[in-house]
Amino acid sequence: KAGVTQTPRYLIKTRGQQVTLSCSPISGHRSVSWYQQTPGQGLQFLFEYFSETQRNKGNFPGRFSGRQFSNSRSEMNVSTLELGDSALYLCASSPGLRDIQYFGAGTRLSVL
Amino acid sequence: GDSVTQMEGPVTLSEEAFLTINCTYTATGYPSLFWYVQYPGEGLQLLLKATKADDKGSNKGFEATYRKETTSFHLEKGSVQVSDSAVYFCALSLSNFGNEKLTFGTGTRLTIIP
Repeated sequence: KAGVTQTPRYLIKTRGQQVTLSCSPISGHRSVSWYQQTPGQGLQFLFEYFSETQRNKGNFPGRFSGRQFSNSRSEMNVSTLELGDSALYLCASSPGLRDIQYFGAGTRLSVL
Repeated sequence: GDSVTQMEGPVTLSEEAFLTINCTYTATGYPSLFWYVQYPGEGLQLLLKATKADDKGSNKGFEATYRKETTSFHLEKGSVQVSDSAVYFCALSLSNFGNEKLTFGTGTRLTIIP
């Protein structure tokens, strides 16, 4: 069974641009969560989707948004990029709300 | 707010040494507790979990016991191997379903020397 797939693996953008990251969950998984990992702040929860509905949201500005499609694939978007948005963005999926989260390898975003 | 505090790394040990990585938490309710491991270039993998006080999670020789009185969930292994070299994250979840919205510690980098 294929794991959680995140694309692209690496991304370089400049300040002010916007970016879209993609996450394909494990087949059959309906819940997708996103986390930001930085050396200074560590791992921080961004948001969680289940059956196309956002269920939880972390303490991030409105520039960070996401969505989930009917096939459970998820995207997150960051608009007006800032240098501080440089991070590893991790996606995790789980079969349902009570289940263990399985993480992808992440997308490393560098903002110049 | 809810938080997790891990011992600062990096930690370097010789093969077959005993490992302890300390983890304490602050939470307003009764969290579920987790240890995740991140190998180089990979995502996080769940190592073990405990959902209530005095529960012991174990996997691959690693153990951790949920101590409510000391709000701790220390990770231990009796004899480490080179393959255990990775970054270890302690985490908690206070959601209604006990497994969402994970709050992570800062991570502890472990290096095992042959």
